[in-house]
Order: sequence, then structure tokens, then C-alpha cells
Amino acid sequence: KAGVTQTPRYLIKTRGQQVTLSCSPISGHRSVSWYQQTPGQGLQFLFEYFSETQRNKGNFPGRFSGRQFSNSRSEMNVSTLELGDSALYLCASRDRGWEQYFGPGTRLTVT
Amino acid sequence: GENVEQHPSTLSVQEGDSAVIKCTYSDSASNYFPWYKQELGKGPQLIIDIRSNVGEKKDQRIAVTLNKTAKHFSLHITETQPEDSAVYFCAASIDNDMRFGAGTRLTVKP
Repeated sequence: KAGVTQTPRYLIKTRGQQVTLSCSPISGHRSVSWYQQTPGQGLQFLFEYFSETQRNKGNFPGRFSGRQFSNSRSEMNVSTLELGDSALYLCASRDRGWEQYFGPGTRLTVT
Repeated sequence: GENVEQHPSTLSVQEGDSAVIKCTYSDSASNYFPWYKQELGKGPQLIIDIRSNVGEKKDQRIAVTLNKTAKHFSLHITETQPEDSAVYFCAASIDNDMRFGAGTRLTVKP
């Protein structure tokens, strides 16, 4: 099976803009989680989607949102970008078990 | 909420030596403890995991131990090789709510 794929791999945006990142889970996986990774804060959980419903949410402002489609693909959106949003955004998918598999991430730079 | 602490933050070993990374967690309800390896430019890769009803698990050169009473778990890598050099993350999960340690940068010197 193909692994988790994320697009785009790199993005440069300006403060105040918005951005949409995409994640395609491993075939058959219905759960998709998003994480933000920064040198200062490490890996932080954003939210998890399962069967198009948000099942869990981390402690991030409402500017961060997501959704999941019927084919389990997921998108996350960040509005009104701030410099501090510069990070590696990781998507992970899971089947019915607990094992979670990460994609390569999208490197977002906000200038 | 759950808090995971990981030590050391950096670890340098000679090729062939063993490496040990330790993590502690705060919530006794945590029931799943995975370890991830992250190489430069890549996403974290699941290398081994353990569930709360098991004390130890081994997979070739990698082993993980769990002490539920003390709320700590450890990753052991034996006969280290240069390709083991990476950042390693531990995590603790309660019903799929996963919290990560800060990471350990392991360097294996040839």
C-alpha cells in the first residue's frame, strides 16, 4: 500500500493570508490526525477526523480548522496566518488499531 | 491533560554501543506507548510500540520496556549503527489522544 501523502510539500505565505493543506491517508484508513511540529513546541496535536467528523481537538485557536471527505482525504486550513504558524504540518492516518502512520509533512513558511 | 517528558535531549554513542532513551508520563490512564524515528526531511516513522498490558516488547535490535507503576517507559537500541542516527520521539496515548515527548537526537559515530 502507498503511504500517507501530503501536498504541497513546501509553501511560502505572507502574514494575513490563508492556506489549505491536503492529506491522503493510507488506503482503507478512516482516521486522519493533524499535528504541528516546531523546534520550540515539538509535536502538537491539532485535530483528528474519523468518517468525516471531528473526533478530537487540540488546544489551537479557531484559525486552525479541518475537514474530511467521504474518501477519507483530509484538508486543514489556517486563516489569517501569523509568523508563529511557520512549522512542519504532519498528517497521520490510522486504521481500527492504535498504530498511527505519518506522512512526510508540509513545510509552511510565513513571511 | 497528559504530559510526556523525554530524556536525554541529545545522545551520542559509538557504533556498536547501546542507546537508551527514557520517557515519563503523567496520566495513569495512558494505555498505548509508541516510539517514532524521524530522519531529516521526513515524517516520523513508527518503529515499535507497547500497550499498557505488556511490560516489554522486542523487535530485533530495538526493545521497549514499560513500568506502569512508575509511569515510565524506555527505548533500548543495541548494536547501534550509523543509520540509527535520527531524532526519536516517545508518545503516550489515552484513547487515541496522543501526546509526544520533546525528542532525543541520537548520533551514532562510526
